[in-house]
Amino acid sequence: QSALTQPASVSGSPGQSITISCTGTSSDVGSYNLVSWYQQYPGKAPKLMIYEDSNRPSGISNRFSGSKSGNTASLTISGLQAEDEADYYCSSYAGSITRYVFGTGTRVTVL
Amino acid sequence: QITLKESGPTLVEPTETLTLTCTFSGFSLNTGRVGVGWIRQPPGKALEWLALIYWDGDKRYSPSLKSRLTLTDTSKNQVVLIMTNMDPVDTATYYCAHWFSRPSGSGKTFDYWGQGTLVTVPS
Repeated sequence: QSALTQPASVSGSPGQSITISCTGTSSDVGSYNLVSWYQQYPGKAPKLMIYEDSNRPSGISNRFSGSKSGNTASLTISGLQAEDEADYYCSSYAGSITRYVFGTGTRVTVL
Repeated sequence: QITLKESGPTLVEPTETLTLTCTFSGFSLNTGRVGVGWIRQPPGKALEWLALIYWDGDKRYSPSLKSRLTLTDTSKNQVVLIMTNMDPVDTATYYCAHWFSRPSGSGKTFDYWGQGTLVTVPS
């Protein structure tokens, strides 16, 4: 099972919106409404930001939103802030055998 | 409040067996539709799912590592991951995480993570 494909880096200025893509296949992203997004600061554990493609856990800012079209999921960060500078990973349920696959990761830089 | 913490050796010699323990609180593996997963991350690289043990005792492993992995539920709020035949490429931070699912089949995500433990396999 190959990793989901994400851009290596995305950058934006404070206040702008950025979107991170996550491309999988019809066996994972395209088959289930079960894409999650995680934020990870250097040396820290990942933190769940989005699950079920577009749902935010309690306490997560509404500046973070998720969507999906076909085999590609997206995470949008609106009103970009300095604290959003981190690595972001997508993940998808991939069925009864593979179970879970993670993305290649995207480094978000706030200019 | 759900918390998880990984423990185990920081250094493992090539060909040896790694045993990691995930000690958790705030939930029970006897509760329906929960689980504990293991995910690793080599230095500077992406996350990789390894294994998942469910509330009903079912266990699932990454197909690429299945022959080397074993999960055990100690029934003492601990889950143990065993990985055999360690190699330098297995050097990584290993995380355990709480998993949940809804009766509808939705959810299915890792919502709480431990701090991780770095395991080094020297070359």
